[in-house]
Amino acid sequence: QPVLTQSPSVSASLGASVKLTCTLSGGHSTYAIAWLQQQPEKGPRFLMKLKSDGRHIKGDGIPDRFSGSSSGIERYLTISSVQSEDEAAYYCQTWGAGVHVFGPGTRVTVL
Amino acid sequence: QVQLVQSGSELKKPGASVKVSCKASGYSLTGYAINWVRQAPGQGLEWMGWINTNTGNPTYAQGFTGRFVFSLDTSVSTSYLHINTLKAEDTAVYYCARVSSESYFDYWGQGTLVTVSS
Repeated sequence: QPVLTQSPSVSASLGASVKLTCTLSGGHSTYAIAWLQQQPEKGPRFLMKLKSDGRHIKGDGIPDRFSGSSSGIERYLTISSVQSEDEAAYYCQTWGAGVHVFGPGTRVTVL
Repeated sequence: QVQLVQSGSELKKPGASVKVSCKASGYSLTGYAINWVRQAPGQGLEWMGWINTNTGNPTYAQGFTGRFVFSLDTSVSTSYLHINTLKAEDTAVYYCARVSSESYFDYWGQGTLVTVSS
C-alpha cells in the first residue's frame, strides 16, 4: 500500500495563505486522498476528498477558504486567508486493497 | 444530522479489559462500515481496522489482531471496540469513523481516552 509523507510543521500569518503538501509514494500517482483537520483536543474532521486530477469533494460546512489541488504524486491543501481557528494538525489519508493509511500530519501554527 | 457519539474516558489497570462504544444517529448504521483509529499521546492517527455493519464481519489491521475485537449491536445502532489484556502502551484516544460510499472517513466520533496505569 502507499506511504504518505507530510512536512511536520508550518506557520502562517493571520490572513495569509498556506499550502500543505501530501506526497504519495512512487507508483501511486492515481490515488485519491482525503484531508482531515484536527484542532487541539478535538477529534479529526473530514475536509475533502481530493482526486489525482484535482477534483475534490468537500465535507459539510467546510469553508470556501479550504481548497485542494493535485500534481503527480503530490496532493495539496490550500488555506487562503488563514484564521485563528485553522491552527490545527492536518492529516492526509488514502486507501487501497482494503487498507487505510494516514500521513504523519502537518501542524499549522497561526501567527 | 449524522453523529457518532462515543462512550466516556476509561482508566484501567494493566491486564484488564475495556469496551468502547460508538453510537450512530442520523443515518442507518448498516448503511456504512465503521472503522476504528488509534491516536497515542502526542502522536498521529493509526488505522486499526473496520467492521462490516451488514454482516458483522471484522477486519483487523496489522498490529491489531488478537487482543482487539470489533462488534456490533444493530438494535441500538452501536459499534464496539473491545480491548483485552490491556497494556500501558494501549493508552490512547480511540476514534470510530464512518466510511463513505467513496471510501473516505466522512464522520468521526469525538474520541474515547483509554488510560492504562497501575
